[in-house]
Order: sequence, then structure tokens, then C-alpha cells
Amino acid sequence: KQEVTQIPAALSVPEGENLVLNCSFTDSAIYNLQWFRQDPGKGLTSLLLIQSSQREQTSGRLNASLDKSSGRSTLYIAASQPGDSATYLCAVDYGQNFVFGPGTRLSVLP
Amino acid sequence: DGGITQSPKYLFRKEGQNVTLSCEQNLNHDAMYWYRQDPGQGLRLIYYSQIVNDFQKGDIAEGYSVSREKKESFPLTVTSAQKNPTAFYLCASSSEGSYTEAFFGQGTRLTVV
Repeated sequence: KQEVTQIPAALSVPEGENLVLNCSFTDSAIYNLQWFRQDPGKGLTSLLLIQSSQREQTSGRLNASLDKSSGRSTLYIAASQPGDSATYLCAVDYGQNFVFGPGTRLSVLP
Repeated sequence: DGGITQSPKYLFRKEGQNVTLSCEQNLNHDAMYWYRQDPGQGLRLIYYSQIVNDFQKGDIAEGYSVSREKKESFPLTVTSAQKNPTAFYLCASSSEGSYTEAFFGQGTRLTVV
């Protein structure tokens, strides 16, 4: 069964810290992996998409890496800000549909 | 502005009623999806459609129905057979090919009263 897990479930850090969110998937036959941000009561906003042939993608203070063979992806957030507070979800594209992890709830304290 | 529009934002359903959630996209995407999100849980796939006039069941399709008569539209009906419909419903779309980035609507919160 294709499963996606995320660690930690919740994270609270002071402003300015660098942090890493983890995503693991059981089936490595992926097309792509996508990281999303979700604010309370809102839809999902796409942050980064990594194709299966890529190792990492960067956008501003965000860097996502992909290790397909070990079934892992990490989202690195540099110099965190209170506005980064949200739930972060990873989604694995297996061609027919996307399988989502449960998310990491991030709180950045001023 | 290109994107996905879900309506309504909030929906209340009485016991035994069918209700329909709207999802429209102007991104010219072939694939569309419906997910359900419950508090503290990840997104679970209800139905998806890769092409007009065709759709497949996801992991939790029981009590739901969909149609895909137009490329732009993928409405979801929550039927009276769905015993626990209170949840946040999200619609998404993506293009075909290797670079299939998914885009989401803002969601519909359905509450049974």
C-alpha cells in the first residue's frame, strides 16, 4: 500500500531558526513529490514540486530535497518567520492520483 | 486569473438530503480530484477524473457521486448514503505529463445539522 508519513506532527520554534520537516513514502515508484502549505480553514498552496529525476528544488527561503531510493523528502525553511506558521503537507504523485501525508503543524513564535 | 473555484465556502445539510459541491477550473487541466479532510488527518481521495466523461473511485467513494461532463467542471454530490459527511472538501486539478503540479481550490466546509 502506498503510504506517506510526516515527522514531526507538530513543531514550535522561535523566530529566526532554521528548521527541517520530513516526509517519507513507502513506494519509491513516484512521478513527482509536492510540498504544500495550508492555513487554517483554507485550501492548499503549492510551495515546491520536485520531479522524480531531480534531487532538490529551491524557492526563496525554502529548499526541498528528494531521495527516491530511501523514500524520503525534506523541506528546509531558513530564517523562519511568524508568517510561516501553518500546516505543511507533502504529496506523492504516483501517476493516477496524489497520496498525502498527515502534515506537520508549524508554529513560529515571535 | 487562472485557478480553481469551489463553491459554496460553507454548506449545511439536513439529515437525508443530497447536496452538491461545485468545482470549476480555468487552467485547461485534464485531471481533477476531490479530497476529504477531517481534523488531524491527511487528505483522503474520494474520486478523480483524468478525462471528460470518465472518472474513478478513490479510497472513500461510498456515499459520494461525481460527473465530468465538461473539462472545466467536476461537481461532487454528497448523498444521504454518506453517514458522516461533516468535513472539509477540497478540489484539485493537474495537467497530464511528467510535470503534474496540482493546484487546489479554497475548499468547502460541509456541516450536517
